Amino acid sequence: DQQVKQNSPSLSVQEGRISILNCDYTNSMFDYFLWYKKYPAEGPTFLISISSIKDKNEDGRFTVFLNKSAKHLSLHIVPSQPGDSAVYFCAASDSGAGSYQLTFGKGTKLSVIP
Amino acid sequence: DTEVTQTPKHLVMGMTNKKSLKCEQHMGHRAMYWYKQKAKKPPELMFVYSYEKLSINESVPSRFSPECPNSSLLNLHLHALQPEDSALYLCASSQEAGRLIGRSEAFFGQGTRLTVV
Repeated sequence: DQQVKQNSPSLSVQEGRISILNCDYTNSMFDYFLWYKKYPAEGPTFLISISSIKDKNEDGRFTVFLNKSAKHLSLHIVPSQPGDSAVYFCAASDSGAGSYQLTFGKGTKLSVIP
Repeated sequence: DTEVTQTPKHLVMGMTNKKSLKCEQHMGHRAMYWYKQKAKKPPELMFVYSYEKLSINESVPSRFSPECPNSSLLNLHLHALQPEDSALYLCASSQEAGRLIGRSEAFFGQGTRLTVV
């Protein structure tokens, strides 16, 4: 059973426009969410995170929105740049007792077209 | 220094070989991880070291043997692997350990691309 779902395996966006990557989760115990970006042949790179006590976190061109009632989060990239082309992984963690790991979604491949 | 360094970058080994993957970080992070990633799949957690002690083993076969010689180094010893073990092996570290381990972002190395023949 996949607890973190990224239902779009790929997304193409024109340079300068907004990219919206979506992520859904099923485990209501998740209370911290992270986005990672991965280029081919490299390890994932942390992008931005959000705690469940917030509904929005912004860092430059990247904004993450969290809707706890819908168990949904999204990453907005504005404006999109060709260098943003990569695979984006959503990850979640449960800081409750005994829980140590990040649960990753399957990733969404973003292609930004010049 | 915000890097996690993994060596080697590529490794081809036979099923009877013994080899080791190495990982190093100098950020003072208290938690270190091994992940395995197959093509078009998300990273899967294998082991977690918290304060140099093994705290999580995600039911990984004994042909994979982790070792944490000190707070900066993490090794993964490989012995009698199978072709299906071929994957990208990622090392990561994070500032927090213990119950706070999921609260801080993990820094990943570039990975070792392992091929078992």
